[in-house]
Amino acid sequence: KAGVTQTPRYLIKTRGQQVTLSCSPISGHRSVSWYQQTPGQGLQFLFEYFSETQRNKGNFPGRFSGRQFSNSRSEMNVSTLELGDSALYLCASSLRWENTEAFFGQGTRLTVV
Amino acid sequence: GNSVTQMEGPVTLSEEAFLTINCTYTATGYPSLFWYVQYPGEGLQLLLKATKADDKGSNKGFEATYRKETTSFHLEKGSVQVSDSAVYFCALSDRPGGGADGLTFGKGTHLIIQP
Repeated sequence: KAGVTQTPRYLIKTRGQQVTLSCSPISGHRSVSWYQQTPGQGLQFLFEYFSETQRNKGNFPGRFSGRQFSNSRSEMNVSTLELGDSALYLCASSLRWENTEAFFGQGTRLTVV
Repeated sequence: GNSVTQMEGPVTLSEEAFLTINCTYTATGYPSLFWYVQYPGEGLQLLLKATKADDKGSNKGFEATYRKETTSFHLEKGSVQVSDSAVYFCALSDRPGGGADGLTFGKGTHLIIQP
């Protein structure tokens, strides 16, 4: 069974640009969550989608947004990039929102220059 | 709010040594507790979990016991191998049984095992 797939794996963007990251969950999984990993702040929860609806959101500015499609694939978008947005962005999927294991993708490494 | 505290390391041990990585947490209610492992260039993999007090999670020789009285979930392994070198994250979830959203992670402990 294929795991969680994130594309692209690596990305370099310039300050002020916007970026879209993609996550394809494990087949049958309906919950997708996004996390930001940085050396200073560690792993921080961004948001979670279930059945195309955002159910939970972390403490990030409105420049960070996401969406989920009917096939459970999810995208996250960061607008007006800042240097501090450089991070590894991890996507996790699970069957549903509780009582279920979270499976993480390999992440997208975003570098803002 | 919820928080997880763990030693950051790096922790350097010789092969076959005994491993303990401490983890304590702050949470309201009865969270589920997890240990995740991250190998270089990879995402996180669930290593073990415990969903209620006194539960012991175990996997691949690693163990951790959910201690509510001390709000701790320390990771242990009796004899480490070079292949155990990785970053280990302690985490909690206030979703019953856990889930992908709203996990609160510790900063991670970098473990280095020398042959």
